[in-house]
Formats: sequence, structure tokens, C-alpha cells
Amino acid sequence: DAGVTQSPTHLIKTRGQQVTLRCSPKSGHDTVSWYQQALGQGPQFIFQYYEEEERQRGNFPDRFSGHQFPNYSSELNVNALLLGDSALYLCASSLGLRGPNTGELFFGEGSRLTVL
Amino acid sequence: DAKTTQPTSMDCAEGRAANLPCNHSTISGNEYVYWYRQIHSQGPQYIIHGLKNNETNEMASLIITEDRKSSTLILPHATLRDTAVYYCIVRVANYAGNMLTFGGGTRLMVKP
Repeated sequence: DAGVTQSPTHLIKTRGQQVTLRCSPKSGHDTVSWYQQALGQGPQFIFQYYEEEERQRGNFPDRFSGHQFPNYSSELNVNALLLGDSALYLCASSLGLRGPNTGELFFGEGSRLTVL
Repeated sequence: DAKTTQPTSMDCAEGRAANLPCNHSTISGNEYVYWYRQIHSQGPQYIIHGLKNNETNEMASLIITEDRKSSTLILPHATLRDTAVYYCIVRVANYAGNMLTFGGGTRLMVKP
């Protein structure tokens, strides 16, 4: 049973560039959320996708956008990269939008983005 | 969601029980307590959650005080592989979404 997979694992970009990160949820899961984790801090919620729609969004600018595909996989796009966007980007999956277990998230290993 | 307070760091001897406290004095009646951990260079891992009763699974036990203002995560026989940052999170039950609000967590160091 494959868990949450993310790609790429590491990447380096320069300021102003754009980046796309990819995530495949755990088998059987239909909800994907993205988190940003700066060095030494806890993960911060970016947004969540369910049924190919953004359902909830954290306090992140419009430069951060996403997409969910019919197979439940997801992409995170960040435009006009800033130095402060350097972080570990985590994808998490779960089943459904409501219910007692929506807080049980399965996280991937993350994509570490360095912006120079 | 209610705010949580955890010690910044703790040490535990290998083989002994690790007791990680969490204060959530402003918790509401419909909020669950969740625990996650994050081993270095990995994504967070769900451990356990509870509402008011004590809970136990294969990883840990969760003890919630009667007034629900604090809780303790217990790793009964800590191993070196339990060295990680442990996050205590409070979240509304049946919340429509995946948002978890992570704080700073407790850095647990298990020593031989």
C-alpha cells in the first residue's frame, strides 16, 4: 500500500522563477492538503483540495496556487519565488471532507525548495 | 482552535516511559486533542487523538485530564527511534477540512 508520494524531493530555484510540486495521495484517499514548513518551525497550512476544488486556504498569498486531478493527485504551484519561500513543502492526504477521522492526515516526505 | 502549550524540549532514557505534557486550558467541548510527531527529515506522523476518554493504540497512550485542560502523551518504552518533535494539536470535531495548526512542539531526545 503506497503512502503519500511527493516529487521532486529537492530542488533549487532563483528569485522570480516559478515552481511546481507534485503529490500522489495514499491509496484510497481523496483529499489532499499542502503545508509549508520553514526551518525550525512547525508546518503551516497552505490549502486543501477535495473533489478538484480548493476547499480551504490558509494565510498565503495568491502566488501559491494548486490543482487536484480526477485521480486525486495534486500540484502546488508557486509563482514569483521569494527567498522566504525556501522551505519544506509537505503534502498530506485523508479520506473525505467531514467525519471523525479528518484530522488523521498521512504526510509525504516533502519537497525541499531552496530559493537563491 | 484552542492554543496549546508544550515544553520546548525533553530528555528520556531508552527503555523508560516518555511522558509528554500539553496544556490546552481554553479547549472547547467539541475539540479533539491530536498528537503528531516528526522525525528529522520526514513528514509528520499521526500518533493518536482523543476527546475526553483516555486512548491507547500500538504507538502510545493519551491521558486527558477530567477538565480536559491538559493531556499527556505516553510512549511506554521509548527507543532511540522515538527521538522526534512531538506536536499537540487541538481541533474541532467533525471539522470540514484538513487544516491542522501546528505549534512549536516538544523536541524529545531519547538517550541510550
